[in-house]
Amino acid sequence: NAGVTQTPKFRILKIGQSMTLQCTQDMNHNYMYWYRQDPGMGLKLIYYSVGAGITDKGEVPNGYNVSRSTTEDFPLRLELAAPSQTSVYFCASSYSLETQYFGPGTRLLVL
Amino acid sequence: AQSVTQPDIHITVSEGASLELRCNYSYGATPYLFWYVQSPGQGLQLLLKYFSGDTLVQGIKGFEAEFKRSQSSFNLRKPSVHWSDAAEYFCAVGAVTGGGNKLTFGTGTQLKVEL
Repeated sequence: NAGVTQTPKFRILKIGQSMTLQCTQDMNHNYMYWYRQDPGMGLKLIYYSVGAGITDKGEVPNGYNVSRSTTEDFPLRLELAAPSQTSVYFCASSYSLETQYFGPGTRLLVL
Repeated sequence: AQSVTQPDIHITVSEGASLELRCNYSYGATPYLFWYVQSPGQGLQLLLKYFSGDTLVQGIKGFEAEFKRSQSSFNLRKPSVHWSDAAEYFCAVGAVTGGGNKLTFGTGTQLKVEL
C-alpha cells in the first residue's frame, strides 16, 4: 500500500491564481481530512469528508473548496490564491473514528 | 471546544538521557489522545494513542505516554533518547462526532538531541 499520497510536493503561485492539491489514499478509508500547518501554529483542519459525496467545513475553510467523488480521492481547491495561504498542506485519512494517517504534505508559496 | 497546550516550544536533551514532553488538553468528555512525530520535510507519523483502558500506553520507537485525567495531561516519555529522535512532536486530542474524528493539535515541541 502506498498509503496517503499528495501532489505536488511544492508549488509557487502568484496572487490570484488557482490550483488544486491532490490527495489519494489506497487504504479504502471512508474519512478524509485536509489540514494546513503554519510555523508555530500546529495543524488546523480545513475540510473533511465522511465518505464519497459528503464534505464539511473544518476550522479554517475560507478560501478553499473540496470535493469527494470517489472514496480514494479528496482534492483541495484554491480559487484565488492569497499570501495568507502560504503554508504546508497535509491530507489525512482514517478508516474509523480513530487513527488518522497523514500524507507527506504539499508546500505552497503564494507571492 | 477542545484545546491542546504543549508548553515547551523547544527542548534539548543529551543522547542517552531521559525525555518527557508535556501535553495538557481541554475536553468535556473522555478524550481520544494522540502523539505524532514529524521529521523535517516529512508528514506526521503516529507514535501512540489513548482511547480507553490502561492509562499507560506504549508506542513505537520506545515511547510511552500516561493519561492522567485529574491533571488533564498526556505526557510523552522515553527512557533513553537516540540522536534519531530529533524531530517535532505534536500532541492531539480527538473529538469523535458524526463527522469523524476531528483532531485538535498542539503547537508542537521541537526536540534537539545533543551528541
